[in-house]
Amino acid sequence: AQSVAQPEDQVNVAEGNPLTVKCTYSVSGNPYLFWYVQYPNRGLQFLLKYITGDNLVKGSYGFEAEFNKSQTSFHLKKPSALVSDSALYFCAVMDSSYKLIFGSGTRLLVRP
Amino acid sequence: DVKVTQSSRYLVKRTGEKVFLECVQDMDHENMFWYRQDPGLGLRLIYFSYDVKMKEKGDIPEGYSVSREKKERFSLILESASTNQTSMYLCASSSYGGLAGSADTQYFGPGTRLTVL
Repeated sequence: AQSVAQPEDQVNVAEGNPLTVKCTYSVSGNPYLFWYVQYPNRGLQFLLKYITGDNLVKGSYGFEAEFNKSQTSFHLKKPSALVSDSALYFCAVMDSSYKLIFGSGTRLLVRP
Repeated sequence: DVKVTQSSRYLVKRTGEKVFLECVQDMDHENMFWYRQDPGLGLRLIYFSYDVKMKEKGDIPEGYSVSREKKERFSLILESASTNQTSMYLCASSSYGGLAGSADTQYFGPGTRLTVL
């Protein structure tokens, strides 16, 4: 069965430092992977997705994610964090019926 | 831009009431989804629909039903609300991927925070 794991409930980083939010997946066949962000009291906003091709995917707000097939990972990264990046981040994988399976979410806290 | 709207941001209901949550999208998307979000559990799929008058159960359909009479509108119904249905409800839509399917992005509404007393 397909699944997604986000091993960290919270990630803390100082403003200006690089950030990484981790995601690993389990899926049969080729994975379709997504990252979403949720600001307080808001719905989910799409950040980026990996379908095929280049392992480094660039998305909104300066975020990028690296697909690693051998490690079954799709970590979200940003070279320089902003306080405004503080939010809840969800990784998701699309299953064989084209439904999304979400991880439990990682809260990112960027301190000034 | 894709726009998905939900009828209420906050809703308070009493146990046993029938509750309707409405979702409307303006991008002519074929697919629509209802999720609930609970802390530590991520998003769980309740129901989805690939076409008008069509519905499929998701992972947690018990206690819920849905209606899709028009392409742009997808309603979630709690037949008899219970306290364990207190949650954030999120609607999403996406376009059809075709016969071979594709990883079409789901776009989300702002959510409805439902409290059942």
